[in-house]
Amino acid sequence: DIQMTQSPSSLSASVGDRVTITCRTSQTITNYLNWYQQKPGKAPNLLIYAASSLQGGVPSRFSGSGSGTDFTLTISSLQPEDFATYYCQQSSSTPYTFGLGTKLEIK
Amino acid sequence: EVQVVESGGDLVQPGGSLRLSCAASGFTVNNYYMSWVRQAAGKGLEWVSTVFDGGRTDYADSVKGRFSISRHNSKNMVYLQMNSLRPEDTAVYYCARGDSSGWGPDAFDVWGRGAMVTVS
Repeated sequence: DIQMTQSPSSLSASVGDRVTITCRTSQTITNYLNWYQQKPGKAPNLLIYAASSLQGGVPSRFSGSGSGTDFTLTISSLQPEDFATYYCQQSSSTPYTFGLGTKLEIK
Repeated sequence: EVQVVESGGDLVQPGGSLRLSCAASGFTVNNYYMSWVRQAAGKGLEWVSTVFDGGRTDYADSVKGRFSISRHNSKNMVYLQMNSLRPEDTAVYYCARGDSSGWGPDAFDVWGRGAMVTVS
């Protein structure tokens, strides 16, 4: 199974800050890495797929990069609606695995 | 509108069975891979099972032999039959769509609101 190591587990930031979340996989997955945002009581929402492709309707302040085993999600300028929990997920092979999540909180 | 809607969540005793349903609209389920992902209260996301567009199925080790995923193409539905339920299966169960064709995201791009399963 591919293990996902996501960091940090929590993060305090202010509106307007630039934020980076990282995800490392236990084996190479080329670019089969996806990022989701989840708000309390809601289903996850796909932000980034294939490591760097922006899902339709997602603001351009979200970006993803990386390949192989190391990946990042960057939010260029935090907005109030961005405070949520973020998960990485690999779609290279089953069992599909998720990172443990990063809870982004308002400073 | 492209959407999936789960139903069938309930309170069930340990050892019991339950069947979740996922009704899809706006797309055809047999053209995508359809999955169930669960989330226990206050915890992260856990992949449970997938039925691929070719019909192959796969399961997390934690549910293998107890859960069964199926698809009814003419009804555009996906099901998760859950047997021998355990307290640790308690979670919100999400139905989610993925696309391995190369035309769309090879990711879970459409999610339902979830169905609550409580085993107690």
